[in-house]
Amino acid sequence: DARVTQTPRDKVTEMGQEVTMRCQPILGHNTVFWYRQTMMQGLELLAYFRNRAPLDDSGMPKDRFSAEMPDATLATLKIQPSEPRDSAVYFCASGTTSGSSYNEQFFGPGTRLTVL
Amino acid sequence: AQKITQTQPGMFVQEKEAVTLDCTYDTSDPSYGLFWYKQPSSGEMIFLIYQGSYDQQNATEGRYSLNFQKARKSANLVISASQLGDSAMYFCAMREGPGTYKYIFGTGTRLKVLA
Repeated sequence: DARVTQTPRDKVTEMGQEVTMRCQPILGHNTVFWYRQTMMQGLELLAYFRNRAPLDDSGMPKDRFSAEMPDATLATLKIQPSEPRDSAVYFCASGTTSGSSYNEQFFGPGTRLTVL
Repeated sequence: AQKITQTQPGMFVQEKEAVTLDCTYDTSDPSYGLFWYKQPSSGEMIFLIYQGSYDQQNATEGRYSLNFQKARKSANLVISASQLGDSAMYFCAMREGPGTYKYIFGTGTRLKVLA
């Protein structure tokens, strides 16, 4: 049963520290998404990659967030420096996208980040 | 502009009854896909059902069906024979296309099934 995996599942850190979240998409999926979920803002798309190329990162605060996909099996989301307002659940999702078909995304379990 | 609207922040339903969760969308693209996801208290996001804009019939998956009314731009989720395990947040989502691969999510509806 193929699943998206995310590490760590929980992270507590202090303001100013660097945080790196990792995601392993489902093998064969060509599109990876990073979302942030908070009570106030709901589910927000931060960035996404297709065939490892970043297509849209307009949802990310550029000064402190960065997303990369060094290879097809790993996507990373980094926050440096972290701030208390970054506290949220961060989801990675993967799927197969093409121009004419609309396949579902499969979500990972999320990383719950708490910045003190 | 908000493109997915879920107007019901919370819903209650009696066990074994059917419930409809509303979703309206806005797009000028003739080609798009509509999705419903369930998020139980454990936090995971679970895909439930999909409807394509050109699909002639309403999608069904077990106890889930999608009441797709294209002219009204609505894609309501119908859960039949509700179970206690259906208590969760439900999100409607859309992907416009074929020029974009972004999925837009609604704000969700929290469903509580009563015993």
